[in-house]
Amino acid sequence: NAGVMQNPRHLVRRRGQEARLRCSPMKGHSHVYWYRQLPEEGLKFMVYLQKENIIDESGMPKERFSAEFPKEGPSILRIQQVVRGDSAAYFCASSPTGTFEKLFFGSGTQLSVL
Amino acid sequence: AQSVTQLGSHVSVSEGALVLLRCNYSSSVPPYLFWYVQYPNQGLQLLLKYTSAATLVKGINGFEAEFKKSETSFHLTKPSAHMSDAAEYFCAVSVPRGNNRLAFGKGNQVVVIP
Repeated sequence: NAGVMQNPRHLVRRRGQEARLRCSPMKGHSHVYWYRQLPEEGLKFMVYLQKENIIDESGMPKERFSAEFPKEGPSILRIQQVVRGDSAAYFCASSPTGTFEKLFFGSGTQLSVL
Repeated sequence: AQSVTQLGSHVSVSEGALVLLRCNYSSSVPPYLFWYVQYPNQGLQLLLKYTSAATLVKGINGFEAEFKKSETSFHLTKPSAHMSDAAEYFCAVSVPRGNNRLAFGKGNQVVVIP
């Protein structure tokens, strides 16, 4: 059973470009969480999705950021018109039940904005 | 909302010495508590968790933590540090049947001195 897969591992974008981060949850997991990690900071919750539904996006910036988890395919975190402050590690985690006792993290995508 | 505090971002410990990482939580209801470890360029891996069963929890790699309600603490310990324990450690808290987020502390970077 493969773990949570995130790609790309590293993503470099220039200011104003779009960034798309992908997360394939573990098999049988229909709950996906996205977290952002800034240097010297812990992980900050961004969004919680179930298949085809956004359950909680209260941690996501109101503008430029969006997330989806379609019926087929990976979950996507999309950042439009990136700025330098978006540079961070973005982690995806999945769970079969929506609770945190069985939460598994991917290896993250390191986004660098030039 | 629930939160955790981890003091001392960098912790140095001699090989073979006791590892002690402190975590204090804030929660209006009995919480679930977690310790995660992050090795360089990897995602978070669950070390151990407290979910209202035994207050002394044993995890992987010889780590354990004790839930102390009177002190609102969940400190992580390992009797004898190994070089492979060098990593970043995060404490996290969630609320059973509560909101959808796992709240993380800022982390402790552990350095093991030979």
